[in-house]
Amino acid sequence: GIQVEQSPPDLILQEGANSTLRCNFSDSVNNLQWFHQNPWGQLINLFYIPSGTKQNGRLSATTVATERYSLLYISSSQTTDSGVYFCAVERRSGGSNYKLTFGKGTLLTVNP
Amino acid sequence: NAGVTQTPKFRILKIGQSMTLQCAQDMNHNYMYWYRQDPGMGLKLIYYSVGAGITDKGEVPNGYNVSRSTTEDFPLRLELAAPSQTSVYFCASSPRVAGISTDTQYFGPGTRLTVL
Repeated sequence: GIQVEQSPPDLILQEGANSTLRCNFSDSVNNLQWFHQNPWGQLINLFYIPSGTKQNGRLSATTVATERYSLLYISSSQTTDSGVYFCAVERRSGGSNYKLTFGKGTLLTVNP
Repeated sequence: NAGVTQTPKFRILKIGQSMTLQCAQDMNHNYMYWYRQDPGMGLKLIYYSVGAGITDKGEVPNGYNVSRSTTEDFPLRLELAAPSQTSVYFCASSPRVAGISTDTQYFGPGTRLTVL
């Protein structure tokens, strides 16, 4: 099946710093999503971005589908950004295949 | 809208016991999913459903069963609980429309299950 690798596995920042999280995937994809899991375990969808660039406030994401990677940018980080960031992809081939494959995540800690 | 709701939030089972994890969504989404998350890992798909009456296996279906009798509900059944099923279970739904890739998945708050 498709492989998803996220880097770095852990990241510690001071409040106000910027960061870039990376997601590499092993095959072409129809669907790519970024999620944030907060320290209480809740999963929130950040972006649906199989290609191109999107921005939402201090967060933005870019997927270069032809080169099989996606980047999540966090600017002016805040302590509330702490948590685990997951990349998940879906490769749909032939018939239906509605299955997201998750990476292991990047654990982000933002210190005040 | 309440979104995706899951019950219970926490549960401790003894080996061999059975239980059903409940999941409901009020967004009229046709696709629903069950995942498990083990410590330090990403989520793995257990089962999914593309509509009422239709279910299919995901990556790790062994030891679980599902049913989808209505659009709103997608319960997950554990028949003979084993310590390996200790995990956090997430239910999700998405508003997929066949042939249109506008999908995002919305997650419930999770159920933390411990099997002793």
